Amino acid sequence: EDQVTQSPEALRLQEGESSSLNCSYTVSGLRGLFWYRQDPGKGPEFLFTLYSAGEEKEKERLKATLTKKESFLHITAPKPEDSATYLCAVQAVRDDKIIFGKGTRLHILP
Amino acid sequence: NAGVTQTPKFQVLKTGQSMTLQCAQDMNHEYMSWYRQDPGMGLRLIHYSVGAGITDQGEVPNGYNVSRSTTEDFPLRLLSAAPSQTSVYFCASSYPRGGRDEQFFGPGTRLTVL
Repeated sequence: EDQVTQSPEALRLQEGESSSLNCSYTVSGLRGLFWYRQDPGKGPEFLFTLYSAGEEKEKERLKATLTKKESFLHITAPKPEDSATYLCAVQAVRDDKIIFGKGTRLHILP
Repeated sequence: NAGVTQTPKFQVLKTGQSMTLQCAQDMNHEYMSWYRQDPGMGLRLIHYSVGAGITDQGEVPNGYNVSRSTTEDFPLRLLSAAPSQTSVYFCASSYPRGGRDEQFFGPGTRLTVL
């Protein structure tokens, strides 16, 4: 059974304090790993897709990396507007299901 | 483009009632899916479709039906509502088939079952 585990569940950082969010996954043949951002009361918003181990993608203060067992979302010098829930999801080669983890709630203090 | 639209935004049902949550997209996306989101549970996949006429079950399909008669629409039917179905429901779509590209999410429907 495909599984996605995100840690920590919640993270509070001071503005400018860099950190990383973890997404561990178990899937038989990875088609893609996705990162989304979700603001309260809204639908998730796409950030990145990673397809193979060693791949990295960046967007502003965010950088996503992928290994064969986990992905990290690195946040460099975060700002209060980066506060949100960050969701990780995986899709297996054998079917088209996209399965999400429970998310990490990130709060950046000014 | 309107993107992914969902109606209604809010709904209150009594136990045993049935209803249909509507989802439509105007991006000609082949892949569409329904998720429910409960506090502390993340997004759980209910049903998904890789194209018109094709649907499949996700992680939590019991109590829900779907159909995909057109590319644009993917309605979710609650057959006999139960309090355990109180949740926020999100519809999403992506292209190409297989959902490898980013999924666009609708604004959600907040459902309460009394």
